[in-house]
Amino acid sequence: GAVVSQHPSRVICKSGTSVKIECRSLDFQATTMFWYRQFPKQSLMLMATSNEGSKATYEQGVEKDKFLINHASLTLSTLTVTSAHPEDSSFYICSARTGQIDSYNEQFFGPGTRLTVL
Amino acid sequence: DAKTTQPNSMESNEEEPVHLPCNHSTISGTDYIHWYRQLPSQGPEYVIHGLTSNVNNRMASLAIAEDRKSSTLILHRATLRDAAVYYCIPLSNQAGTALIFGKGTTLSVSS
Repeated sequence: GAVVSQHPSRVICKSGTSVKIECRSLDFQATTMFWYRQFPKQSLMLMATSNEGSKATYEQGVEKDKFLINHASLTLSTLTVTSAHPEDSSFYICSARTGQIDSYNEQFFGPGTRLTVL
Repeated sequence: DAKTTQPNSMESNEEEPVHLPCNHSTISGTDYIHWYRQLPSQGPEYVIHGLTSNVNNRMASLAIAEDRKSSTLILHRATLRDAAVYYCIPLSNQAGTALIFGKGTTLSVSS
C-alpha cells in the first residue's frame, strides 16, 4: 500500500521555540493532506485539512497562527508549531487519501511525531 | 458526520474469534463504513471497508447489517498483535474528506 512518512519521529524542545514537522507521501500524489493531534489515552483529533497550493482549513478551536501548515507540493506538507509550550506536547499524525476516481480512496497515516515541550 | 457507538473495551484470548460491534444509525446512504486500528504509539492503519455487502480480506471480515445502521468487524483468530484500538468510521469516498475518529474499542488479547 501507499506510504506516508513523517520527520522527525520525536522531538524535544524548550518552551518558546518553534518546531517543524514534515509529512511526505512517498509513492502517490496527495492533493489533500490532514493533520491530527492525539493526547495520551485520547482519540485522534483532526486539526486541519491541507490542500496543495492553497491555505489550510482549520478545525474549530485550532489556532491557525500557532499551527502553521504549508502544502507546497503534492507530496509534502509541513506543520510548524510556533512558540511551543508544554501544553502543545502531543503526538502529531499526518495523513493523506489517494485521489483515485471511481475507486476506493484509502486514507494512509504517517507513523506520528512525538513532541515534548519542556 | 454520522455518530458511532462502540464498546469502550473488549477482551479476547489468542486464537479465538473476536466480534467488534459498531452502531452508526445516522449513516448517510453514500458513506462507506471504514475500520481502522491503532497500535500503541503508531499511526492508525486501515483494516477494512464496505458499503453494503459483507467484505473479507486477509486481516478481517466486515459484516454489514441490511439497513446499514450497524456493522461488525470480525477477527477470525485473534493474535497478540491484534491488541489495538479499533475505530469504526462512516465516511464518504471523496478524497478531500478526513476520517473523524471517535473513542473506538480497545481490544485486549490474552495468551
